[in-house]
Amino acid sequence: AQRVTQPEKLLSVFKGAPVELKCNYSYSGSPELFWYVQYSRQRLQLLLRHISRESIKGFTADLNKGETSFHLKKPFAQEEDSAMYYCALSGSGNTGKLIFGQGTTLQVKP
Amino acid sequence: NAGVTQTPKFRVLKTGQSMTLLCAQDMNHEYMYWYRQDPGMGLRLIHYSVGEGTTAKGEVPDGYNVSRLKKQNFLLGLESAAPSQTSVYFCASIRYTEAFFGQGTRLTVV
Repeated sequence: AQRVTQPEKLLSVFKGAPVELKCNYSYSGSPELFWYVQYSRQRLQLLLRHISRESIKGFTADLNKGETSFHLKKPFAQEEDSAMYYCALSGSGNTGKLIFGQGTTLQVKP
Repeated sequence: NAGVTQTPKFRVLKTGQSMTLLCAQDMNHEYMYWYRQDPGMGLRLIHYSVGEGTTAKGEVPDGYNVSRLKKQNFLLGLESAAPSQTSVYFCASIRYTEAFFGQGTRLTVV
């Protein structure tokens, strides 16, 4: 079964500190993993996807198939990073299902 | 270009009443989704559709029905609302692997 787990409901850090938002997944095939972000009063939007191997707004995420993880990292947090972050998984083969984790609220304090 | 539009934005229902939430997208996407967002539970998939005339159950389908008679519209119905269905409902459509979300519908069942 597809499952995404984000163990932290809230992560609070000071501005300039490193950030790591954890995401673990369960899927028997080859998944596609994503991070979505929801800023206050804005729509949920895509932040990055593992197949792109890109850095968006200073965030990166590496897919670790051995540990079934897709943690989101940023070396120096900014106040504008404060938001709700969701990890999501889509199964291979165009099954159509897009499953989200429980979400982690990132709070960056000045 | 409106993207994904949800109607209504807010609604209060009495237990046992019925209602339909409308999701409309103007991007000609095949895949559309309905999620509910609850504190501590994240986004949970209710139903989804991989094309006009098709629907499938997600993680929490009980108490909801859907229809996709036209490609651009995905309707979510509550036949007999219950307080447990108090939530924020999000619709999304997908282009390739990127999901585009509506602004959400806040539903309260009293």
